Amino acid sequence: GAVVSQHPSWVICKSGTSVKIECRSLDFQATTMFWYRQFPKQSLMLMATSNEGSKATYEQGVEKDKFLINHASLTLSTLTVTSAHPEDSSFYICSAFARGAYGYTFGSGTRLTVV
Amino acid sequence: SQQGEEDPQALSIQEGENATMNCSYKTSINNLQWYRQNSGRGLVHLILIRSNEREKHSGRLRVTLDTSKKSSSLLITASRAADTASYFCASADYTNAGKSTFGDGTTLTVKP
Repeated sequence: GAVVSQHPSWVICKSGTSVKIECRSLDFQATTMFWYRQFPKQSLMLMATSNEGSKATYEQGVEKDKFLINHASLTLSTLTVTSAHPEDSSFYICSAFARGAYGYTFGSGTRLTVV
Repeated sequence: SQQGEEDPQALSIQEGENATMNCSYKTSINNLQWYRQNSGRGLVHLILIRSNEREKHSGRLRVTLDTSKKSSSLLITASRAADTASYFCASADYTNAGKSTFGDGTTLTVKP
């Protein structure tokens, strides 16, 4: 089946530092990857759509200079939270889209805590 | 804003009982998926139902899809304490940049 690997699964960083989260599709090529954020006891909110080889499309209210997305290959997308602040602490989940039987496959998520 | 809406928002039942959760969406879809999320953990894919399907089974799970009403339901039969989790539906519209939109989720508590 389609597998998406997300790394790291959790990270603690200091305010002002940057954190990179990787999302890899292991056994299929994903032309599109999506990044979601989930605050405690809330649903998943789409942050941005990442297309291989082009700039990411950000949802309204998401700062593109703060959440840098790179989709350099058909199997890897990265999300970098720059100059992290405690309010950026959240659960970040990526998904890779592949037409066909699996539709969207989600990574296991990254719990970011900014102290 | 989220397109999907689930009801109920919270559901508490006894072990062995059935649990039914509903999900509504607003636009046309290619498929709809149900996911489970244990507290503080990632998403676990449960089942995918395509827009041309009306019902699908997987073990103790039964999903229905009514495209005329733009709604879906997830039935968990003979629930277990381990089923305690949040359940989300995600509708996929391939024409809308392939975005998948999540509902707000139903928090299920199964009491032993």
